[in-house]
Amino acid sequence: NAGVTQTPKFRVLKTGQSMTLLCAQDMNHEYMYWYRQDPGMGLRLIHYSVGEGTTAKGEVPDGYNVSRLKKQNFLLGLESAAPSQTSVYFCATRDRGLRQPQHFGDGTRLSIL
Amino acid sequence: LAKTTQPISMDSYEGQEVNITCSHNNIATNDYITWYQQFPSQGPRFIIQGYKTKVTNEVASLFIPADRKSSTLSLPRVSLSDTAVYYCLVATLGNMLTFGGGTRLMVKP
Repeated sequence: NAGVTQTPKFRVLKTGQSMTLLCAQDMNHEYMYWYRQDPGMGLRLIHYSVGEGTTAKGEVPDGYNVSRLKKQNFLLGLESAAPSQTSVYFCATRDRGLRQPQHFGDGTRLSIL
Repeated sequence: LAKTTQPISMDSYEGQEVNITCSHNNIATNDYITWYQQFPSQGPRFIIQGYKTKVTNEVASLFIPADRKSSTLSLPRVSLSDTAVYYCLVATLGNMLTFGGGTRLMVKP
């Protein structure tokens, strides 16, 4: 999807390792979101940000941390990865204004052994 | 956040019109209905949204009755490339989205 780039696309970790997922956008959107999607299920919101320097918890924040030091980047961190965090992670952005749709990246597939 | 209920799966044939109905009985006054499409290995893609009555764009139509407790996504003359998962969501003004399991649409030749 144009405008939202997620890095890396795939990663395999061992239990206890740490890593950071990067979401970069070039649409100058204020809002950014991190979701996880487990097999056969819809997306669940992990954390989100309503602007540079701000973050907030979503539905399933435990085990994750985020940072939004620059407007165009939203980082998702796993300090000590667990097998339960094996999932596909999606980043999304949204422009300011009522009822603006979210724009999603193509996801990061993360496996934790 | 209002919960939505939609069929788990649907089958159709190329060239047919497909209607996917979603129920959202506890929708609030300020909530609006939005639909996303997701292909395998891709992120969801916005299709259409509306508050009441009918909304149409180049991809689909959205019908919302007066009580707003349900909505119907209409895809005209589907093709094989419309095979995907379709999510019905009720969004607040803050645009917090809660995804359900979606409807898996299979279009057959």
